[in-house]
Amino acid sequence: AQSVTQLDSQVPVFEEAPVELRCNYSSSVSVYLFWYVQYPNQGLQLLLKYLSGSTLVKGINGFEAEFNKSQTSFHLRKPSVHISDTAEYFCAVSEVYSSASKIIFGSGTRLSIRP
Amino acid sequence: EAQVTQNPRYLITVTGKKLTVTCSQNMNHEYMSWYRQDPGLGLRQIYYSMNVEVTDKGDVPEGYKVSRKEKRNFPLILESPSPNQTSLYFCASSYKGDGAGELFFGEGSRLTVL
Repeated sequence: AQSVTQLDSQVPVFEEAPVELRCNYSSSVSVYLFWYVQYPNQGLQLLLKYLSGSTLVKGINGFEAEFNKSQTSFHLRKPSVHISDTAEYFCAVSEVYSSASKIIFGSGTRLSIRP
Repeated sequence: EAQVTQNPRYLITVTGKKLTVTCSQNMNHEYMSWYRQDPGLGLRQIYYSMNVEVTDKGDVPEGYKVSRKEKRNFPLILESPSPNQTSLYFCASSYKGDGAGELFFGEGSRLTVL
């Protein structure tokens, strides 16, 4: 069975600084990878996903993530963050050809932006 | 507007008093699911449904029931709530229920059981 690890529970950064949120996964088969964002008092929404093809995936709000198969990672990056990026970010993984019921979420990383 | 709607958004109840959290989606999605979110644990799946009248247990189903009589609705039932069910609950839906599809989430229902 697959698993996903978000090593950082909280990441504080200054506004306009770059940020990287780390995600590592474990699986014996090929996977799909996702990043979801949860703004305060809201549900989760999809930020970006990797299904196949180019390993660099661009998402909404200037975020991007790179799939690294050898390191089993899918880190999320943004070159310059804004106050509005304050949210909790969840990495998720599912095995190729599996159902949505098999999507596994990480424990989340809370991104706090300091002015 | 495409959305997943949950009610109530906030609820405080007492141990043993049955309650239902409703979930409705207007996107004609086949797949629906319930998660609970607890600090440091991320999202854990409670129950899911691949289509009408087809439901199955997730990772933490104890103490919960669901039904899927209509495609758009997927209520979560707590027959006898206990304090360990105090949590933030999310309903989600997906078009076909395959692992590559986007999950659409409701805004969450914060439940406190005293």
